[in-house]
This record gives sequence, C-alpha cells and structure tokens, in this order.
Amino acid sequence: DAGVTQSPTHLIKTRGQQVTLRCSPISGHKSVSWYQQVLGQGPQFIFQYYEKEERGRGNFPDRFSARQFPNYSSELNVNALLLGDSALYLCASSFLGGDYEQYFGPGTRLTVT
Amino acid sequence: ILNVEQSPQSLHVQEGDSTNFTCSFPSSNFYALHWYRWETAKSPEALFVMTLNGDEKKKGRISATLNTKEGYSYLYIKGSQPEDSATYLCAWGLNAGNMLTFGGGTRLMVKP
Repeated sequence: DAGVTQSPTHLIKTRGQQVTLRCSPISGHKSVSWYQQVLGQGPQFIFQYYEKEERGRGNFPDRFSARQFPNYSSELNVNALLLGDSALYLCASSFLGGDYEQYFGPGTRLTVT
Repeated sequence: ILNVEQSPQSLHVQEGDSTNFTCSFPSSNFYALHWYRWETAKSPEALFVMTLNGDEKKKGRISATLNTKEGYSYLYIKGSQPEDSATYLCAWGLNAGNMLTFGGGTRLMVKP
C-alpha cells in the first residue's frame, strides 16, 4: 500500500502570494492532520480534519485554511505569504483517536522570498 | 501554554553505547504520548504510542516508559548503531482527537 503522499515536494513563492499544498492519506485513514516544522523545532500542529470536518485548529492566523475532500485527501492553503511561513509542511494520516499512531508524508518544503 | 520539553537537544555516542532521552509533558489532561524517529530526508516514523501510566513498550533495541502522574517518558536505545542516528521526537496528546504537541526533539548521532 502507498504511504501518505504530498505535493509538491518543493515550492518557492514570493511574499504576498498564495499557496496550496496537497496531501493524500493512507487508504482507510479518514483523519488528516497538518503540521508546520521550522528548522530546529518540532512540528507544530495546524489543523486536523476528519470526515471533511475540522476537528482541531492550532495557533495559526486566519491566513491558514484547509479542507478535506470526500476521498479524504486534503489541501492546506496559505494566503498573503510572509517570510516566516517558510517551513516544511507535514501531513499525517491516521484513524481518529489520539492513541493511534500517525503516518507522516515526506512533507512540502515552502520557501518564501 | 502547555509545553513538551525534550532533553538533551543533541547527543553524540559511540557505536555500542546505550543511551536514553527524556520527554516531559503536562501531567494534567493526559491522553497519549507518542514517540517518533525522524531520519534525515525521510518522513517521521512512529515508534510507540503509550496511554497508561506505567506503560512500557519495546521494539528491538528501543524501549520506552511512561509516567503520567509526574509527566515524563524515557526512550532507551540499547547498543546504539550508526543507523539509529536520527532525531527522536515525542508528542503529547491532550484528547481523543489527533492534535499532538511535539517537543523539540533529541538529535542522536552514533559514531562507528
């Protein structure tokens, strides 16, 4: 079975632009979570979606939004990009429940110039 | 602010050494504690998920313990090998959802 996939792998954007990142979960997983990882720090929770509904939101501004589709894939959108948005964005899928391990994708490296 | 702290930040050991890391987390509102291994250029890989106070889990040479009352977990690696070189992350789960709060990680480097 394929693991969690993310696209694109790398992305370079200019301040003020908008970006959309994509994630496909492992087959059978209905929960998708998004994390931002800045170099030298642990991943920081952005969103969790389950059955197309937002179940959790981290401490991120409204410029960040996400959605989940009927096939459980997900998109993360970031508007009005700032230099500080440069990071590795990780997607993880799992069964719903904090006692289930999460399976991470390879991430999308976003660079904002 | 509810923080998850890991120590040490980095660790250099010789092949064959045994080592351990610490993860401390808020002892209130505990639901689960996760450990992940993150090798360079790869995705984080789940090692353990623990939910009960006193839990001990083992996978090969790696084991972990959990103390929810005092808010800490230890990860042990017996007889470290160069392929164990990675960043080890712990993450605290507050509730039955999947929102995890990660620590900053411990970067382990094992010299042959």
